[in-house]
Amino acid sequence: GENVEQHPSTLSVQEGDSAVIKCTYSDSASNYFPWYKQELGKRPQLIIDIRSNVGEKKDQRIAVTLNKTAKHFSLHITETQPEDSAVYFCAARTSGSARQLTFGSGTQLTVLP
Amino acid sequence: GAVVSQHPSWVICKSGTSVKIECRSLDFQATTMFWYRQFPKQSLMLMATSNEGSKATYEQGVEKDKFLINHASLTLSTLTVTSAHPEDSSFYICSARPPPGEETQYFGPGTRLLVL
Repeated sequence: GENVEQHPSTLSVQEGDSAVIKCTYSDSASNYFPWYKQELGKRPQLIIDIRSNVGEKKDQRIAVTLNKTAKHFSLHITETQPEDSAVYFCAARTSGSARQLTFGSGTQLTVLP
Repeated sequence: GAVVSQHPSWVICKSGTSVKIECRSLDFQATTMFWYRQFPKQSLMLMATSNEGSKATYEQGVEKDKFLINHASLTLSTLTVTSAHPEDSSFYICSARPPPGEETQYFGPGTRLLVL
C-alpha cells in the first residue's frame, strides 16, 4: 500500500518568512495530492491540492510542487502570518476504486509574531 | 463544497459501554465514506471504508467486531465502538468520497470520545 513520509515534524518561522514542508510517497500509481490544515480539535481543511499531471499550483500565498519522478511534493507558504500556525498534513491518493487517502505524519507550524 | 456532518461532537462514556457515531453527507449522496481515528499529536489513520449497501472494508489491525460500521443509506454511515475501553479514547473523523467529477474529500467535524 501507499506510504507517505512528511518532514519536518515541527517548524517555527518568523512572521513574514516562508515555510516549506516536504512529503514523499511510495506508490507511483498515486495521482492526487492534497494538503490539509488542521487546527486543534477541528476537522482537516483542504488548503491546496495537485494532480499528478501538474508540476506546480499556486493559490495566493500557498503553492504546491510535485516531482513525479522523485515522488516528492512540497507545500510552500510565503509571507507567513500568525494565523497560519496549525498542523499541516500532506496526503496521497491512489487511482484505485476505493480512492483512499494516506496521510503524512503532520507538521506543527508555528509562526512567531 | 460538499458538507459532511458528524454527531455527536463529543461523548464521555463508561468503560464497557457502546457508543454510536453518525456521519452524514448533507448535500450529496456518498456511496463511500471513510472512518479515521486520530490520537493526540498524531496523524489521521484510516480505520475502514464504508460502502453503502455492503460490508465495510477494514484496515489491517482494526477489529471489525469492535468497530461496527453500517452504511444503510447514501447519506448516512455509523460507527459503533462496542465495549469501549480507555484506550479507545480518541478523535474519530469521518469523510465522504467526493461526488463524481470532484477530487476533494470532505471531512466531518470529528467526534471526541473519552472512555472512563
